[in-house]
Amino acid sequence: GDSVTQMEGPVTLSEEAFLTINCTYTATGYPSLFWYVQYPGEGLQLLLKATKADDKGSNKGFEATYRKETTSFHLEKGSVQVSDSAVYFCALSDGTSGTYKYIFGTGTRLKVLA
Amino acid sequence: GAGVSQSPSNKVTEKGKDVELRCDPISGHTALYWYRQSLGQGLEFLIYFQGNSAPDKSGLPSDRFSAERTGGSVSTLTIQRTQQEDSAVYLCASSRQGFDHNEQFFGPGTRLTVL
Repeated sequence: GDSVTQMEGPVTLSEEAFLTINCTYTATGYPSLFWYVQYPGEGLQLLLKATKADDKGSNKGFEATYRKETTSFHLEKGSVQVSDSAVYFCALSDGTSGTYKYIFGTGTRLKVLA
Repeated sequence: GAGVSQSPSNKVTEKGKDVELRCDPISGHTALYWYRQSLGQGLEFLIYFQGNSAPDKSGLPSDRFSAERTGGSVSTLTIQRTQQEDSAVYLCASSRQGFDHNEQFFGPGTRLTVL
């Protein structure tokens, strides 16, 4: 079945450091890929998405490129801020079976130090 | 506009009791999903409703779990004879099926604690 593998956390960075959170997937069809963020005490929010190969999603300085050849969707940010401290979830949605449910990675906790 | 709302925000119950969790999706969203977020299992899909179609119940962990969606809008997730392993945050999401690549919008969740 479909699956998402996400790098283990927690990740601790200093402010202005470069961030990469790895995400790879397996899917039988042609999924859409998403990054969601969960700030402390808040619900899941969509950060960015990509719906086909080579698409790049971007938002709030974060970027991720849908790489079909490596089945990856790594999240990057050039300069993190303390306010980026949160848990990040990679997810895919594959409607091949008729159900567009999300398959989530395990989440990566990011802590940014001032 | 209003987002997905869930109630109650917190629920503490005793083992063996039944609980009902409610979800109000975004108006006009035809698809509704329930997920469970727990420390040991991460985010798991539970059940999916789309319009008048039969729901996809493939993620429900046991027959103690059931859900319904009345009038294509509000949904209730019911857990019967709760067990301690049911303690988790239950998330509801909705989407416009066939639009926006089925991007899902999540509610704030209901934190269930089974004592």
